[in-house]
Amino acid sequence: DQQVKQNSPSLSVQEGRISILNCDYTNSMFDYFLWYKKYPAEGPTFLISISSIKDKNEDGRFTVFLNKSAKHLSLHIVPSQPGDSAVYFCAASESNFGNEKLTFGTGTRLTIIP
Amino acid sequence: DGGITQSPKYLFRKEGQNVTLSCEQNLNHDAMYWYRQDPGQGLRLIYYSQIVNDFQKGDIAEGYSVSREKKESFPLTVTSAQKNPTAFYLCASSSYGTGGGQPQHFGDGTRLSIL
Repeated sequence: DQQVKQNSPSLSVQEGRISILNCDYTNSMFDYFLWYKKYPAEGPTFLISISSIKDKNEDGRFTVFLNKSAKHLSLHIVPSQPGDSAVYFCAASESNFGNEKLTFGTGTRLTIIP
Repeated sequence: DGGITQSPKYLFRKEGQNVTLSCEQNLNHDAMYWYRQDPGQGLRLIYYSQIVNDFQKGDIAEGYSVSREKKESFPLTVTSAQKNPTAFYLCASSSYGTGGGQPQHFGDGTRLSIL
């Protein structure tokens, strides 16, 4: 049972435009969400996170939006740059003390077209 | 500088052999994790450890074993009981005890292949 879903395996965006990556979850106990970026043959790199007490978190070109009622979050990258081409994973966890496990989605491959 | 080191980067195993993947961190993190990534799939949790000398099974622990004798080290053994061991293995670590949502920091992975 996939508790974190990224339904778009791939996305292509023109350089300079906005990239929007989507993620849905089914477990209502999840209340922390993270986005990771991964290049081939490397480990994922943490990008940005959001707590369920917020609906938006911004860090430079990256913004994450959370819609708790829809169990949906999205990552916006503006403007998109060639170096953003990578696989992006959405992950979620419960904030209970001692439960640090992350559940990952299957990833979305983002390609930025020059 | 601080980070997570996984070795080797590529590993080949013959059928019926056990093989151990190394993971060392100098971030002073309490928690460490092992994930497996297969093509077209996300990261699946194999084992995790929140303190020394303690570890728990993740979602796909069958055919794997771990130890946590030191805070810095969390080796993973892929045993001959693992029927489909070819995959990309990722080790991660994070702070522990401050609630969920702590970013996990990853190593660069070990690609295991069966000869």
